[in-house]
Amino acid sequence: SQQGEEDPQALSIQEGENATMNCSYKTSINNLQWYRQNSGRGLVHLILIRSNEREKHSGRLRVTLDTSKKSSSLLITASRAADTASYFCATDQGGSEKLVFGKGMKLTVNP
Amino acid sequence: SQTIHQWPATLVQPVGSPLSLECTVEGTSNPNLYWYRQAAGRGLQLLFYSVGIGQISSEVPQNLSASRPQDRQFILSSKKLLLSDSGFYLCAWSVTAISPQHFGDGTRLSIL
Repeated sequence: SQQGEEDPQALSIQEGENATMNCSYKTSINNLQWYRQNSGRGLVHLILIRSNEREKHSGRLRVTLDTSKKSSSLLITASRAADTASYFCATDQGGSEKLVFGKGMKLTVNP
Repeated sequence: SQTIHQWPATLVQPVGSPLSLECTVEGTSNPNLYWYRQAAGRGLQLLFYSVGIGQISSEVPQNLSASRPQDRQFILSSKKLLLSDSGFYLCAWSVTAISPQHFGDGTRLSIL
């Protein structure tokens, strides 16, 4: 069953702008993860945020988690053309045996 | 460091032919292993996962099967391919069920 839903489905911005992607989920979680997928390649893990964390940073990435709203956001600052990719959130289901991935959203950064 | 190898990168097969896709992981032991299918422009569909040798869990009833003959080897098979088996197949591994997953580069399977 679908757990994480990314929003928007697609986003097109200019290089240098910030990109914000949102993920909503339905059940309690232990952690939430964000992945990137370049066209025709496998997914690459970007960042993991635990349910007791509210914000996490990694380079130009900033992830927030609001467990009361069951939502997370991924912010990419000062975007580059190389950030063009699909982005997925993935969640467990509070003790489930596996991660469940969202459908992903496509980010296009125009040079 | 750990690496994951998945091959072939692309495959074109006729309907009704058999399939064998192989995935191997190096640099870790007793990984959790996963097979996903991704339709064009869509999300990931978990097909099979394995927590140990010979232990396979199937997520979706279908024309495919999986095996784990060795600790770091995961094989996706079919006896007779259907047109609907076309897609992008991804193998992944993780340390635990909910820890970050590490993906191979995928196999693009086209059925004619």
